[in-house]
Amino acid sequence: DTAVSQTPKYLVTQMGNDKSIKCEQNLGHDTMYWYKQDSKKFLKIMFSYNNKELIINETVPNRFSPKSPDKAHLNLHINSLELGDSAVYFCASSQVAGTDTQYFGPGTRLTVL
Amino acid sequence: QKEVEQNSGPLSVPEGAIASLNCTYSDRVSQSFFWYRQYSGKSPELIMSIYSNGDKEDGRFTAQLNKASQYVSLLIRDSQPSDSATYLCAVNTGFQKLVFGTGTRLLVSP
Repeated sequence: DTAVSQTPKYLVTQMGNDKSIKCEQNLGHDTMYWYKQDSKKFLKIMFSYNNKELIINETVPNRFSPKSPDKAHLNLHINSLELGDSAVYFCASSQVAGTDTQYFGPGTRLTVL
Repeated sequence: QKEVEQNSGPLSVPEGAIASLNCTYSDRVSQSFFWYRQYSGKSPELIMSIYSNGDKEDGRFTAQLNKASQYVSLLIRDSQPSDSATYLCAVNTGFQKLVFGTGTRLLVSP
């Protein structure tokens, strides 16, 4: 059983398009996260939700909008994609926000052409 | 100053040797510290967590924490080629989030 799953695994799209990435966790955790890992492998938090409530919103462009329909799901919608959005996006979850072990999904490699 | 700093490497060690990975952090209120391993093209996976000063051992891995010096390290004994990966240090900054270092690439040669 996959603990944290993401779809799609790969996403190739043109500049200006809108795309979504979905994440689901079956660990019963209360907190979910979105991270962006750039070409230099730097992993940076974008958003965090605790029980469907947004608790962390880093300096991310407004084109990125997370949505958490329930505490097991956290989706990421990106409008007007730009070349600089190309990266690997990881979803993660933990029982407690920040202080607890985070479990990562397999990642979504987004390529914007 | 970066919040979490690691030497990017690569750190090259021969098989069977001890690999020593180091990490420094800037926020004195940090309470939770994690080492993640990331193979190329894969997601980070937890190796060790440590919360109090001193050493914590788990198999071939030992995490060491010194809060006074704001320093956390990971020792890998009897290094194997399968240990070749990027090791990410992560620190809880007290704002309900983890801050990751840029990672140290470890290469273990047979």
